[in-house]
Amino acid sequence: GQSLEQPSEVTAVEGAIVQINCTYQTSGFYGLSWYQQHDGGAPTFLSYNALDGLEETGRFSSFLSRSDSYGYLLLQELQMKDSASYFCAVNYGNTPLVFGKGTRLSVIA
Amino acid sequence: GAVVSQHPSRVICKSGTSVKIECRSLDFQATTMFWYRQFPKQSLMLMATSNEGSKATYEQGVEKDKFLINHASLTLSTLTVTSAHPEDSSFYICSARDKEAPLGYTFGSGTRLTVV
Repeated sequence: GQSLEQPSEVTAVEGAIVQINCTYQTSGFYGLSWYQQHDGGAPTFLSYNALDGLEETGRFSSFLSRSDSYGYLLLQELQMKDSASYFCAVNYGNTPLVFGKGTRLSVIA
Repeated sequence: GAVVSQHPSRVICKSGTSVKIECRSLDFQATTMFWYRQFPKQSLMLMATSNEGSKATYEQGVEKDKFLINHASLTLSTLTVTSAHPEDSSFYICSARDKEAPLGYTFGSGTRLTVV
């Protein structure tokens, strides 16, 4: 089946930079997206990559390498409010998003 | 931007009763609606895909007679959890396909179901 791999937990210091990696299965791949979810809330869209390279949106950037079936989310100037779960999700053609298991980010002072 | 309104946000029900969750697309037509379930500290798992005017397609392992999905109009889809049991307690989220949203997917705010 289609599966995505991402670390289960990451801890980083306020003001630092953190990278969350995601690997996916290639067959039928259209694009990789990232979602943020705070406890008790719904996922909110952060970014999307369909082509190789880096997409920057403020403090958050996302990278994709199609040849490596790999992408990452980069969070800069970490703030306490960034503590949340981050999910990579893959778009396999005209199908619903397939989500990774999520990475729980804890930002500490 | 496109908005999907999901209600209720929280519901507590007794075991054996049924609960209906509604998702409405505001300002756009949701020809396709996806229903996800998320257990604590786990990922979003797709339960079913519904298309307006036709029967829903359920993922393997999801009981179609227990989780009734109705998508009778282009702006409303409902998920009814029938004869709920404590193991059905979860976070249920809908997602609608919208051409204007990034990737074409907009999520509802979720429903926290607790069965006691």
